[in-house]
Amino acid sequence: SAVISQKPSRDICQRGTSLTIQCQVDSQVTMMFWYRQQPGQSLTLIATANQGSEATYESGFVIDKFPISRPNLTFSTLTVSNMSPEDSSIYLCSVVSGRLWEQYFGPGTRLTVT
Amino acid sequence: DAKTTQPPSMDCAEGRAANLPCNHSTISGNEYVYWYRQIHSQGPQYIIHGLKNNETNEMASLIITEDRKSSTLILPHATLRDTAVYYCIVRVNAGGTSYGKLTFGQGTILTVHP
Repeated sequence: SAVISQKPSRDICQRGTSLTIQCQVDSQVTMMFWYRQQPGQSLTLIATANQGSEATYESGFVIDKFPISRPNLTFSTLTVSNMSPEDSSIYLCSVVSGRLWEQYFGPGTRLTVT
Repeated sequence: DAKTTQPPSMDCAEGRAANLPCNHSTISGNEYVYWYRQIHSQGPQYIIHGLKNNETNEMASLIITEDRKSSTLILPHATLRDTAVYYCIVRVNAGGTSYGKLTFGQGTILTVHP
């Protein structure tokens, strides 16, 4: 299995500012994903971040709002830009790993925008 | 990916088996059934997955009907720590850009009582 850590675990930010969330994996993985979970809701995929290529965004998510970096096979960042209260969510990093191609999730970053 | 239908909530007594149903009547021949759970304030945890044969691991058993239109996740001896939201997801288990694109529904809230 893959062990994933995220920083920060939580943050309270002001409207109009930006926050960069870090995701670190304990092994090299090709495919890394970012999800969002709004309060009381299920998870929604934001984008797929593969090392060596541009991130692929899902419908409703754009690079200017959620820029992603993937500098190597164990690390990625997601930036939430120009935040508004509607961005208050849990942001989760995820990877595919293991012989059964299971998908693992990090503990999440709880973001509150005031 | 095929859509799934799960009951919004279920109760189970501690020590008893918890049987969580999932309907996926539009599943395609190359789509797998995955189960994840999310314990409060944590990232989703992979439980088990299967294609058409029943599967068992240290966490649970997965029973898939012969026509593959429904499945049941079985936690053989539920404990209080199994209280969580359980997600049933169907997905093509192939490579490419769609890999890892888990589409989460609302899941089933399982509450295990003492």
